Amino acid sequence: GESVGLHLPTLSVQEGDNSIINCAYSNSASDYFIWYKQESGKGPQFIIDIRSNMDKRQGQRVTVLLNKTVKHLSLQIAATQPGDSAVYFCARGGYQKVTFGIGTKLQVIP
Amino acid sequence: DAGITQSPRHKVTETGTPVTLRCHQTENHRYMYWYRQDPGHGLRLIHYSYGVKDTDKGEVSDGYSVSRSKTEDFLLTLESATSSQTSVYFCAISEGGYNSPLHFGNGTRLTVT
Repeated sequence: GESVGLHLPTLSVQEGDNSIINCAYSNSASDYFIWYKQESGKGPQFIIDIRSNMDKRQGQRVTVLLNKTVKHLSLQIAATQPGDSAVYFCARGGYQKVTFGIGTKLQVIP
Repeated sequence: DAGITQSPRHKVTETGTPVTLRCHQTENHRYMYWYRQDPGHGLRLIHYSYGVKDTDKGEVSDGYSVSRSKTEDFLLTLESATSSQTSVYFCAISEGGYNSPLHFGNGTRLTVT
């Protein structure tokens, strides 16, 4: 069945360094992926999305890379800031067919 | 935030009582969703709506019902709350179909004692 998983439950990064959060998926039919950020006590916040006809997409300080060969997705955050501390999770699909990963907690060390 | 308000933000209720959670959006989006979030499970879809009076079940719909009488409001009802329904409930909206991201409210923390 479809699954979206994460490699690391917790990631600690020094402020100012770059962060890389990884996600693997198991179904090659997946063609739309989204990254969300969830701060404590808040709902998931959309960060960036990517379709399978792309390998890379950039936003403000964030880049998502999609490797369809190995079914791997990553979120890169440049110059990580304390405000980036949150749980990040990837999701596949849209409408009623969204599958969410469990999440990786990003801790930013001042 | 995407113009989504959930109420109440916190609620404690007793087993067997009915509970209704409300989601209100100001974005005029067609699609609305109710999810629950539990440790170790991620977000799971309870019910969704694709228009006024048009709703359908998600993967964990047992024990829940929904109603959508207006574009902006989507109600989730627990007819007889059970302890297994203790969770954080999120409402989400989206503009379109498959290739549209969901935008979430800030959740309702429900505790069933």
